[in-house]
Amino acid sequence: DIVMTQSPDSLAVSLGERATINCKSTQSVLYSSDNKNYLAWYQQKAGQPPKLLIYWASYRESGVPDRFSGSGSGTDFTLTISSLQAEDVAVYYCQQNYDARWTFGQGTKVEIK
Amino acid sequence: EVQLVESGGGLVQPGGSLRISCAASGFIFNRHWMSWVRQAPGKGLEWVANIREDGGEKNYMDFVKGRFTISRDNAKNSLYLQLNSLRAEDTAVYYCAREKESSGRRLMAFDMWGQGTVVTVSS
Repeated sequence: DIVMTQSPDSLAVSLGERATINCKSTQSVLYSSDNKNYLAWYQQKAGQPPKLLIYWASYRESGVPDRFSGSGSGTDFTLTISSLQAEDVAVYYCQQNYDARWTFGQGTKVEIK
Repeated sequence: EVQLVESGGGLVQPGGSLRISCAASGFIFNRHWMSWVRQAPGKGLEWVANIREDGGEKNYMDFVKGRFTISRDNAKNSLYLQLNSLRAEDTAVYYCAREKESSGRRLMAFDMWGQGTVVTVSS
């Protein structure tokens, strides 16, 4: 199975500042037939189910604020929150959808400094 | 209303069985691959299994293969997970999740989740 590793495990960012979360996979999740990276990002707030933010590594889900962006290709990916808001406090997960058995990263907890 | 609603969770003894369900509404259920994802208390997300639109293909994580069975009934807009030979480490919230689809193409991400049903394995 593909193993997804996120860094850091947690970070504290001041309101309005940038937050950056990294995700690394043990093998490439770039699908050659369509040149898409099968990598998604989710936000999970306390007591709630996850919410899709980004799919195909950089495609923002409808309704997601544009301060959220995804980048990267192959094995290395980044989720960036350009200007952290109070409502962004949550745990963020990356997930690979390349292998038939999907796997998540361990999660990154984002807090306000 | 577009939603997924899980049910059937509860307390079960080690070695026991349980069947959990997910009722879908507000969208065309048979156009989507569906998955079960679980989350142990205080832990991260763990994908469990998925099933093709017509039920003809199923995939499982190794830790549940042979013990859990995913199925669906498109006539009832429902997804199921049969859990057998349960262990303490299977204790978790089990979420039903819908794969994002566009014009018949899988977009390989979960765009809808239920609120989850709690399965507790303990004597």
